[in-house]
Amino acid sequence: NAGVTQTPKFRVLKTGQSMTLLCAQDMNHEYMYWYRQDPGMGLRLIHYSVGEGTTAKGEVPDGYNVSRLKKQNFLLGLESAAPSQTSVYFCASNRAAQETQYFGPGTRLLVL
Amino acid sequence: GQNIDQPTEMTATEGAIVQINCTYQTSGFNGLFWYQQHAGEAPTFLSYNVLDGLEEKGRFSSFLSRSKGYSYLLLKELQMKDSASYLCAAPQNKLIFGTGTLLAVQP
Repeated sequence: NAGVTQTPKFRVLKTGQSMTLLCAQDMNHEYMYWYRQDPGMGLRLIHYSVGEGTTAKGEVPDGYNVSRLKKQNFLLGLESAAPSQTSVYFCASNRAAQETQYFGPGTRLLVL
Repeated sequence: GQNIDQPTEMTATEGAIVQINCTYQTSGFNGLFWYQQHAGEAPTFLSYNVLDGLEEKGRFSSFLSRSKGYSYLLLKELQMKDSASYLCAAPQNKLIFGTGTLLAVQP
């Protein structure tokens, strides 16, 4: 059981470039989440999904898109990266909304 | 509205006891989570309280008062490895996190 994995672990982008962050979970969880974490700001929810084929906006969705084509995968896309998107991105999953969330190891993104 | 407050930083001494407080205001109540996050790592689950009272798990205990909108995490016999951020979180249809309390354990 790998739990929640994230790819890549670290990436440097130039302003305007695009990229996709991949989150995968092998626990058959229905719910998946993408957060960003910045110093002094805590974890902020970007987008989440309550099941395969569904997505919803979180607290800070602007500049990001997501897709959940397969139950085990949740993709986070940046179409045109901006320096303000420099952050650590965490993916998480759980069986139901009120259950413990399991986090991936994080992706560190630097946008120059 | 939904709001979770916790102190930004705390310092304690190895071997001592420390209490990290969390107050919350949420529309509806579905329990309260505590997570631990070491620097550069992902948050990991510590506890979940849905009923009032104290729940003990080894050196860590978590308390909840629903009427007061208040919870605390109690860490006993502090060790250097307990230096981390402690996140309070309340589930709605998604999890609402506080900004976390950075605990520094000194020798």
